[in-house]
Amino acid sequence: SYELTQPPSVSVSPGQTASITCSGDTLGDRYACWYQQKPGRSPVLVIYQDGKRPSGIPERFSGSKSGNTATLTISGTQAMDEADYYCQAWDIRSVVIFGGGTKLTVL
Amino acid sequence: EVQLVESGGGLEPPGGSLRLSCAASGFTFTNYAMSWVRQAPGKGLEWVSGLSGSGDSKYYADSVKGRFTISRDNSKNTLYLQMNSLRAEDTAIYYCAKDRLEHAHPSGFDYWGQGTLVTVSS
Repeated sequence: SYELTQPPSVSVSPGQTASITCSGDTLGDRYACWYQQKPGRSPVLVIYQDGKRPSGIPERFSGSKSGNTATLTISGTQAMDEADYYCQAWDIRSVVIFGGGTKLTVL
Repeated sequence: EVQLVESGGGLEPPGGSLRLSCAASGFTFTNYAMSWVRQAPGKGLEWVSGLSGSGDSKYYADSVKGRFTISRDNSKNTLYLQMNSLRAEDTAIYYCAKDRLEHAHPSGFDYWGQGTLVTVSS
């Protein structure tokens, strides 16, 4: 079955840039989305179609993709950005796949 | 304002059944595919099932295929998930989620409900 791989954890200092990767076979052939989830809250879409930002999402959030690896970048990371982040794509059967999630810690 | 409100969760023994509901408002419900996504305690997100706006196309994760059935009543703006033959590993918060684009699944989920907790235990 199709899988997306993320690092379990990433740490960043306030004001610095955080990068979270998501890799999967043939991810280069499909769009990736990214979600932010804070403890006890529902997920929030922060990036869709690899690099587009929904309205209301701060400009410091950006997305990109190179080959079969998608990357979520948070520039000027703030304490409020500490959360779990999930990438998401879908396979040829329109089955939705989530990555395992990355816990972002702002030290 | 888009709102998704889930209900129907609770405690069920293994082998039991539950039906979850998701009441939607604030958008033209029939134009959008909807999905159920679950999250086991302390674990990541797992997509469970998706359904086109018309209800004609249904999609399931392998882990629930043959046990769960997704449906919708567009006259009531409500999405359902019938869960049969429940297992301990089905214990999770179940979220309903709206696809971002009209008449397109999957396209990313731009709105999520608050979730309803399903616990499968004897």
